[in-house]
Amino acid sequence: AQKVTQAQTEISVVEKEDVTLDCVYETRDTTYYLFWYKQPPSGELVFLIRRNSFDEQNEISGRYSWNFQKSTSSFNFTITASQVVDSAVYFCALSEAQNNDMRFGAGTRLTVKP
Amino acid sequence: DTAVSQTPKYLVTQMGNDKSIKCEQNLGHDTMYWYKQDSKKFLKIMFSYNNKELIINETVPNRFSPKSPDKAHLNLHINSLELGDSAVYFCASSQWGASSSGANVLTFGAGSRLTVL
Repeated sequence: AQKVTQAQTEISVVEKEDVTLDCVYETRDTTYYLFWYKQPPSGELVFLIRRNSFDEQNEISGRYSWNFQKSTSSFNFTITASQVVDSAVYFCALSEAQNNDMRFGAGTRLTVKP
Repeated sequence: DTAVSQTPKYLVTQMGNDKSIKCEQNLGHDTMYWYKQDSKKFLKIMFSYNNKELIINETVPNRFSPKSPDKAHLNLHINSLELGDSAVYFCASSQWGASSSGANVLTFGAGSRLTVL
């Protein structure tokens, strides 16, 4: 089965700092999807982005950007000019096309201090 | 109008009891899931149903029994509850294999926090 590793358990930054959350994955499938989800203190899981394995273009959405590199099996997430409201647990996930079985990394808890 | 709704939101019960968590989605998705999130926030898939057919059944004790009466519902019944079952249980749904940008994206319910005393 596929595997997702988020080596950073916790990160703490001061507001306005940039921060990168790392995600490394393993899969034998050639077609797969990568995701990031946010879980704020309120507990819900919020979808942020989906990337398919054939599209290595980086993506930017406001202060969020994602860097997908198949050569290193990584899908990193950067928040620019972090804000207190960015404090949450962030999950990277992978779903293989053949079985739609989404597996999550262990999550990175980001704390942004004012 | 909630896309994925699960009830109850909180459940406190004694060891040995049987309890159920219900889930309904109004997104027209064909696949539904149950995930368990433990106290360390680790999210683990338990079950997945596609068009009412069980397609993922992880190594979950057989005290856990999912039931999907139709594509829009996936309920979770737990027998003989144990202390280790205490967790937040998330229901989710997705559209399997769609070609749109929303394909395989899981939409989650708000979670059901189960506490076993």
